[in-house]
Amino acid sequence: SQQGEEDPQALSIQEGENATMNCSYKTSINNLQWYRQNSGRGLVHLILIRSNEREKHSGRLRVTLDTSKKSSSLLITASRAADTASYFCATDAYGNTGKLIFGQGTTLQVKP
Amino acid sequence: DGGITQSPKYLFRKEGQNVTLSCEQNLNHDAMYWYRQDPGQGLRLIYYSQIVNDFQKGDIAEGYSVSREKKESFPLTVTSAQKNPTAFYLCASSPRRDRRLAGENIQYFGAGTRLSVL
Repeated sequence: SQQGEEDPQALSIQEGENATMNCSYKTSINNLQWYRQNSGRGLVHLILIRSNEREKHSGRLRVTLDTSKKSSSLLITASRAADTASYFCATDAYGNTGKLIFGQGTTLQVKP
Repeated sequence: DGGITQSPKYLFRKEGQNVTLSCEQNLNHDAMYWYRQDPGQGLRLIYYSQIVNDFQKGDIAEGYSVSREKKESFPLTVTSAQKNPTAFYLCASSPRRDRRLAGENIQYFGAGTRLSVL
């Protein structure tokens, strides 16, 4: 069963603006990951945040994790048209045998 | 080039027919996964394998079968029992849990196979 729920489902912004997408999950986790999917392509790993971390940065990406609320957010700063894609959170559940549980995804459109 | 190769890119299935999707990786990863993605949806796990000659059902295994005879290969067969096979199928791999950096299960994906019914 799907564990991650993401919102918004779709987001449309202008180039240069920031984009924020949120993910909620249900059980204890080892880590939470964010992936990107360009239309009709496979997923690409963006960033991983461990359960004992609260914030992590990678380039224009900033991820936060609140384990008490079982939620995470992905912030893309100074967005570009090339950031147009779907973004998925995935949780690696504590004690899990190695499966990731993916959210429904947020579709981001960045207008030039 | 290191990576995961899925073939074919597009596949059409006739009623009552079994079709097999190929997934090959040269990343020396032990674990491999098959996911199904429906339009506008997330990924749902079909089958996964942590090691050669072993595999487990995921959330939606009915109507599908797999084999893992080689470390590099994890083919998925969509059988005639799968009544709604039209979807985008994604294969992924990751290092085995005990060989991962700090237990991280980062997955690497192929480009996908789009399956349609004739």
